[in-house]
Amino acid sequence: GAGVSQSPSNKVTEKGKDVELRCDPISGHTALYWYRQSLGQGLEFLIYFQGNSAPDKSGLPSDRFSAERTGGSVSTLTIQRTQQEDSAVYLCASSPMGLASAYEQYFGPGTRLTVT
Amino acid sequence: QKEVEQNSGPLSVPEGAIASLNCTYSDRGSQSFFWYRQYSGKSPELIMFIYSNGDKEDGRFTAQLNKASQYVSLLIRDSQPSDSATYLCAVKVAGRRALTFGSGTRLQVQP
Repeated sequence: GAGVSQSPSNKVTEKGKDVELRCDPISGHTALYWYRQSLGQGLEFLIYFQGNSAPDKSGLPSDRFSAERTGGSVSTLTIQRTQQEDSAVYLCASSPMGLASAYEQYFGPGTRLTVT
Repeated sequence: QKEVEQNSGPLSVPEGAIASLNCTYSDRGSQSFFWYRQYSGKSPELIMFIYSNGDKEDGRFTAQLNKASQYVSLLIRDSQPSDSATYLCAVKVAGRRALTFGSGTRLQVQP
């Protein structure tokens, strides 16, 4: 079946501009995560959505970052007033979270953001 | 101390050998353990997960978990050059929703 999809695959933006990154999770997966990965670094957790519960925003690095998930499916990560240190690959993952789930996550292809 | 630690490598093994990748974690409340493979420029791909002590085998891959010693390992038998990638260990800690990832071990399989 279809995996997690993300768009755009690449985004180049000027410092100070706002950007929106989109994630479409695997159908039926109730949990959705955003991570970012800087060059040669590990994955940094940003935000988590589970069903209708309040999102876990504990990983967002600043108030310039926000995310929403509409209708329990598609999610948008917004970065306002982008800075050069925001340059990274932004990865979205979804998880089935059923009783038999081990909380395994499946990743999308990522959006490579470059702030010039 | 990092919550999930991996040797960054590179770990170099000849084709056909067994590659052994190790990961230690600090939180004894950790519940589930995952291995992801990440090719350069690509996103992480789930290889397998384990949550019970002992071994779990899937094809050429075997995950081993020892909760008492707080380590999890991944063995790759009959290593192939196509196995060359960075392997990420991830842990589900009780009370935390996201997985905690190690920084990864880079594996190089020499033809």
